[in-house]
Amino acid sequence: ETGVTQSPTHLIKTRGQQVTLRCSSQSGHNTVSWYQQALGQGPQFIFQYYREEENGRGNFPPRFSGLQFPNYSSELNVNALELDDSALYLCASSFNSYEQYFGPGTRLTVT
Amino acid sequence: DAKTTQPTSMDCAEGRAANLPCNHSTISGNEYVYWYRQIHSQGPQYIIHGLKNNETNEMASLIITEDRKSSTLILPHDKLRDTAVYYCIVRGTSRAAGNKLTFGGGTRVLVKP
Repeated sequence: ETGVTQSPTHLIKTRGQQVTLRCSSQSGHNTVSWYQQALGQGPQFIFQYYREEENGRGNFPPRFSGLQFPNYSSELNVNALELDDSALYLCASSFNSYEQYFGPGTRLTVT
Repeated sequence: DAKTTQPTSMDCAEGRAANLPCNHSTISGNEYVYWYRQIHSQGPQYIIHGLKNNETNEMASLIITEDRKSSTLILPHDKLRDTAVYYCIVRGTSRAAGNKLTFGGGTRVLVKP
């Protein structure tokens, strides 16, 4: 059984650009949640996808968007990147509403 | 979701068990208490969760007070090796909440030899 994987591990983007982060769920999981973790802070909930539909959203602007695919993998897209978007982006998968298992994260740096 | 209060930091001796407290005085009847730990720059790792009964698994034990307003995570001596941040989270189960986890500041546990 493979765990949650995320790609890429690190990337650097320029302000105003767009970025796509990817997440593969743990086998048997149908729910994916995305979190943003700024340096020195706890993770903040961005949104969750359940069976390919958004199922809850945190206090993030519409330029943060996502997708979930039939195999339950997921993408997080961020448009018009700002310097404050620099953070560790975490993906977590779960089966329905049970405990969430996190991936290693993608470190995004916006310059 | 109910808010939690945890000590900002704790020093723990390597090879000894540790008790991590958490207050959640505004918890409602259908909210669970979850614990996660995060080693620097890694994704949070699920430890344990409970509703009102004490729980134990291979990683830790969770003691929840009868009024459910506080809990203690007990880490056995052989599980306390790495300095990490331990998060106590109260999680709602409503569909509107999307089953999100609301992380606070957590407790930074510094393991000392």
